Amino acid sequence: EPEVTQTPSHQVTQMGQEVILRCVPISNHLYFYWYRQILGQKVEFLVSFYNNEISEKSEIFDDQFSVERPDGSNFTLKIRSTKLEDSAMYFCASSETLAVNYEQYFGPGTRLTVT
Amino acid sequence: DQQVKQNSPSLSVQEGRISILNCDYTNSMFDYFLWYKKYPAEGPTFLISISSIKDKNEDGRFTVFLNKSAKHLSLHIVPSQPGDSAVYFCAALNTGTASKLTFGTGTRLQVTL
Repeated sequence: EPEVTQTPSHQVTQMGQEVILRCVPISNHLYFYWYRQILGQKVEFLVSFYNNEISEKSEIFDDQFSVERPDGSNFTLKIRSTKLEDSAMYFCASSETLAVNYEQYFGPGTRLTVT
Repeated sequence: DQQVKQNSPSLSVQEGRISILNCDYTNSMFDYFLWYKKYPAEGPTFLISISSIKDKNEDGRFTVFLNKSAKHLSLHIVPSQPGDSAVYFCAALNTGTASKLTFGTGTRLQVTL
């Protein structure tokens, strides 16, 4: 069964460093998302991406964040200068379409630890 | 800004019995609702969804009920199995304007033998 994959599973970085989190969405899906979950809190939306551009972003997704689909399969989230409060699980998700079925399928997540 | 609330942080149910997980929402623009299951160190797994034009959707052991007037939905699992032990998240979506999911805080279900 097709699934969303994410690498790395765990990333440790120092405050101020840049990180890139990688995702491979399900191959026939057209919509891509990033969410995050800070320990003990709920899953929060960061950004959605369709047709090679951001379609929606949350207040969390400030100028320090960017997304890219560099080729036909990868979808990346970059944090330019990490802060302690960026420590969280980051989930990539994809969906096939926004008509009829709105289900989003999630990857296993990348645990980002900023020290 | 708790637009989606799951007021029970945890629930314990005996194997074979019914598990009922509840979710309330405040945003009347939400018109599509989803339930996800999450095991530790894994991503949320889609379980079942319901559109606001329906009041019930069933898939095997899982049934979701929607009460629009009360802005309330519930997930019924029957019979409950030990493998159902996980955190269950309710999520909501406004299909007209946005594709983002708004999640509740989750309910940890423990199915005991």
